[in-house]
Amino acid sequence: DGGITQSPKYLFRKEGQNVTLSCEQNLNHDAMYWYRQDPGQGLRLIYYSQIVNDFQKGDIAEGYSVSREKKESFPLTVTSAQKNPTAFYLCAIRRTGSVETQYFGPGTRLLVL
Amino acid sequence: QQQVKQSPQSLIVQKGGISIINCAYENTAFDYFPWYQQFPGKGPALLIAIRPDVSEKKEGRFTISFNKSAKQFSLHIMDSQPGDSATYFCAASGSNDYKLSFGAGTTVTVRA
Repeated sequence: DGGITQSPKYLFRKEGQNVTLSCEQNLNHDAMYWYRQDPGQGLRLIYYSQIVNDFQKGDIAEGYSVSREKKESFPLTVTSAQKNPTAFYLCAIRRTGSVETQYFGPGTRLLVL
Repeated sequence: QQQVKQSPQSLIVQKGGISIINCAYENTAFDYFPWYQQFPGKGPALLIAIRPDVSEKKEGRFTISFNKSAKQFSLHIMDSQPGDSATYFCAASGSNDYKLSFGAGTTVTVRA
């Protein structure tokens, strides 16, 4: 996960509250992704961004929002509309070159109080 | 609906044994198949990847076998070690957008 920073490591949300998860990269890559991980379900794509000021919905975008104002930053907001937000959230970047694939940050675990 | 089906959900292997994880896909547009290894509380790390132009790729003790006609691919962990105990995910994507579709994961436990 070198070069990809996610904060905080743990985050607690109260009912009806919006929370924002941070993802920063210093690798100068264009494409960034947000995934949600639940036990036994693998990783599911929430949103992704191929370029600054542009982003696309993934498979489970409802209840989430993102922005991409800077190349190095792709924050994810979990809104109060997301009824089951407890999960492990992973940010990834797409690295191109000899091996073109996604590399993941260390993750943020979100818990609902 | 998962586009990549992975089995088994979990497996236990003795130290020195072989771990085998299987994945199947339907989307013929997929042309890139990575495997990730994840330890508890950490993000997944790329382990090995393959494209359909080869049937097998080996890196150290890890081998991917790919069967294009059957739309199946598998990961073999040879000489399994306790440090290999982790969750393994297969994934697939097409060249156009690199949106990865993940399998549900296999938890591997290697007993000493």
